[in-house]
Amino acid sequence: QVQLVESGGGVVQPGMSLRLSCAASGFTFSDHGMHWVRQAPGKGPEWVAVIWYDGSRQYYPDSVKGRFTISRDDSKNTLYLQMNSLRADDTALYHCAIEGGPMGSKIEYWGPGTLVTVSS
Amino acid sequence: QSALTQPPSASGSPGQSVAISCTGTSSDVGAYNYVSWYQQHPGKAPKLIIYEVYKRPSGVPDRFSGSKSGNSASLTVSGLQTEDEADYYCSSYADNNIVIFGGGTKLTVL
Repeated sequence: QVQLVESGGGVVQPGMSLRLSCAASGFTFSDHGMHWVRQAPGKGPEWVAVIWYDGSRQYYPDSVKGRFTISRDDSKNTLYLQMNSLRADDTALYHCAIEGGPMGSKIEYWGPGTLVTVSS
Repeated sequence: QSALTQPPSASGSPGQSVAISCTGTSSDVGAYNYVSWYQQHPGKAPKLIIYEVYKRPSGVPDRFSGSKSGNSASLTVSGLQTEDEADYYCSSYADNNIVIFGGGTKLTVL
């Protein structure tokens, strides 16, 4: 069955960097666009990034543009999120998720997430 | 890139129907038929229950239905069951290749 397992979260100081990974299995990874979505404690989800199925395009909201980079390695069935210049408001549970249709139409399966805490 | 607007809470008794609204703009909900709804139980990841305004993924009961009119979308849960008590979030694709979520609605089954 479909499985997404995020890792790489932790406690970091403001201004530092962190790289998250998402190991995918149970589906053809290279056929799907992939998202990162975060959820601050007690808050609703916030979309963070998307990468096309072939890696040709990436998009971000203004809140992370220029600081975060999404990438993928289809040979390892793994999605990444490089996060630089971290701020306190980046503190959240970060989920990777599968796009099941045209971009943004069907974020159909979410992993359990990895927690990122930005604090001095 | 403002969040979609949802009521913070909704409630109903078992067997009743409840509707949750999701209001956006002409740049997101009003422009695209890519509105989704997610159900989230405490400590769990969100689960997709409606996509492309009204479509249900396999395994989602037909008690859940979606619709859209203008810049607003709506999720209706019919025949409420105790297990429907959860947080519900809407999302929409928007101009400039982004996805916007709503702030969420806590559904209480009385």
